[in-house]
Amino acid sequence: DGGITQSPKYLFRKEGQNVTLSCEQNLNHDAMYWYRQDPGQGLRLIYYSQIVNDFQKGDIAEGYSVSREKKESFPLTVTSAQKNPTAFYLCASSAGTSGEQFFGPGTRLTVL
Amino acid sequence: GEDVEQSLFLSVREGDSSVINCTYTDSSSTYLYWYKQEPGAGLQLLTYIFSNMDMKQDQRLTVLLNKKDKHLSLRIADTQTGDSAIYFCAEKTNAGKSTFGDGTTLTVKP
Repeated sequence: DGGITQSPKYLFRKEGQNVTLSCEQNLNHDAMYWYRQDPGQGLRLIYYSQIVNDFQKGDIAEGYSVSREKKESFPLTVTSAQKNPTAFYLCASSAGTSGEQFFGPGTRLTVL
Repeated sequence: GEDVEQSLFLSVREGDSSVINCTYTDSSSTYLYWYKQEPGAGLQLLTYIFSNMDMKQDQRLTVLLNKKDKHLSLRIADTQTGDSAIYFCAEKTNAGKSTFGDGTTLTVKP
């Protein structure tokens, strides 16, 4: 089955620790995205990548980093510089002209 | 800049039609989308419309686009309790990114 997976579903970390969220897709999509969702709010774009070995900052990139070494994978690191990291993180991928995005199930990060 | 606005809440009775509205500001939008999010899950694409169309129908879903007013709506016919979720409007601009609204929480009462 083709799809996009995120792991883990729930993640707890102590304040001051870096943490990496996994995102993998087997849809052969060129573009991948990371969003942050806070309660009662919409999605805010953190980083996106339109092709392997290239990525761009989104609207709220401060305190986050990404890599895109393989087409299938786009991991997100939440660094200790991110002041308020507790949130629901969504990864997505897209391909084709119409650009509709396919989302993973999300990772809920809680920083204690 | 790009901005997408939606009303936050909508409540309907089971069997009625639901209409969720959205406005956007970027006139270069090429595609407009509707996504559905159930609690604790990712977003699921429901439908999308190209900016040169004014209507698209897909089973119980009807999308209307008024490009002049930059207004998009999603009508769900015969709304069921399983339709209760958050619905997001989104636009894709020529820059290639998508901008999402804050979502409309649809509650369907039996």
